[in-house]
Amino acid sequence: DAGVTQSPTHLIKTRGQHVTLRCSPISGHKSVSWYQQVLGQGPQFIFQYYEKEERGRGNFPDRFSARQFPNYSSELNVNALLLGDSALYLCASSRGPGQGKDEQFFGPGTRLTVL
Amino acid sequence: GENVEQHPSTLSVQEGDSAVIKCTYSDSASNYFPWYKQELGKRPQLIIDIRSNVGEKKDQRIAVTLNKTAKHFSLHITETQPEDSAVYFCAASKGGSYIPTFGRGTSLIVHP
Repeated sequence: DAGVTQSPTHLIKTRGQHVTLRCSPISGHKSVSWYQQVLGQGPQFIFQYYEKEERGRGNFPDRFSARQFPNYSSELNVNALLLGDSALYLCASSRGPGQGKDEQFFGPGTRLTVL
Repeated sequence: GENVEQHPSTLSVQEGDSAVIKCTYSDSASNYFPWYKQELGKRPQLIIDIRSNVGEKKDQRIAVTLNKTAKHFSLHITETQPEDSAVYFCAASKGGSYIPTFGRGTSLIVHP
């Protein structure tokens, strides 16, 4: 049974560029959440999607956007990259709100470096 | 919104000792409290969680306690081993939507 997968594992971009990160949830999970983890801090919530609908949005600028596909995989897009966007981007999957289980399972993350 | 404070930021213990990490939360509506362990360069992994309808939960050497009145919860690790060395994060959320707020993390170092 495969866990949460993310791609790419590492990415180097320059300021002003655009980036797309991808996530595939655990089979049977319908909810995907995205987090930004800066070195030395806990994960910060960016978005949650369930059944292709946005269920929650954290305190991030409009440069950050996401979507979920019919197969429940998800993309996180970041436009006009800034140096401060350098971080580990984590995807987590769960069964979904009201499914009786709240547990989230994290993917290995994408390490984004903005130069 | 929810605010989660976690202490200490660093905890150093000798192998075999106990370790305790404490968190407080601000939103009285929060009712789900997971703990994650993150080893260097790896993903956070859920190690134990507790819901607001219980005060304590134990799983082998790990236990979590919850005091809803005081709005704090703690992670207890007994008989620590070097492989327990990692960063531990607490989180709080309202069940159903599951949008957790994480603490800043505690770096646990277990010396052999």
